[in-house]
Amino acid sequence: GAGVSQSPSNKVTEKGKDVELRCDPISGHTALYWYRQSLGQGLEFLIYFQGNSAPDKSGLPSDRFSAERTGGSVSTLTIQRTQQEDSAVYLCASSRDRDSYEQYFGPGTRLTVT
Amino acid sequence: AQTVTQSQPEMSVQEAETVTLSCTYDTSESDYYLFWYKQPPSRQMILVIRQEAYKQQNATENRFSVNFQKAAKSFSLKISDSQLGDAAMYFCAYQRAGSYQLTFGKGTKLSVIP
Repeated sequence: GAGVSQSPSNKVTEKGKDVELRCDPISGHTALYWYRQSLGQGLEFLIYFQGNSAPDKSGLPSDRFSAERTGGSVSTLTIQRTQQEDSAVYLCASSRDRDSYEQYFGPGTRLTVT
Repeated sequence: AQTVTQSQPEMSVQEAETVTLSCTYDTSESDYYLFWYKQPPSRQMILVIRQEAYKQQNATENRFSVNFQKAAKSFSLKISDSQLGDAAMYFCAYQRAGSYQLTFGKGTKLSVIP
């Protein structure tokens, strides 16, 4: 079946603008994760969704970051008032459920804030 | 907090030869999972191999095998018969049993010389 997809592949935005990044998990996967990959910090966990439960937002770096998951499927990560330090690759992953110890990753969105 | 250390930022190997990538981790847990992920220039993280901490037998997947030393908290990846397509960033990752968060190392960039 189709893997995890993300859009856009690349996004260039001006400092101060808002951006939305989209993730389509593998069909039937109930768990969804967002990670940020930057040169200085490596791969960081951002947020986790499991079914209809409240998400774990403990990894979000500031209140400018938010995410939602509609209908238990597609997820959107929103960054408000972008800063240059937000430049990174944002990776989405999904797994069958929270007890499945295999996460499948999408190709990521490279965000560049100018 | 758990940490994962990859001490080799870059490695190179001759095509058809064998290479070993190192990883150490720090945890006070006894039940956990360890992973090696491959990230080619396409950015998509691909799961290479998984090891359950409660299993003494080292995991193998075709040309990929691990040397899991639980007492030493070491988890190295051996790639046999290296191929040009093996060139990528390799990330070691840790996941505590019952948790959904992956903790990644900083990665090792592997080059394969024809």
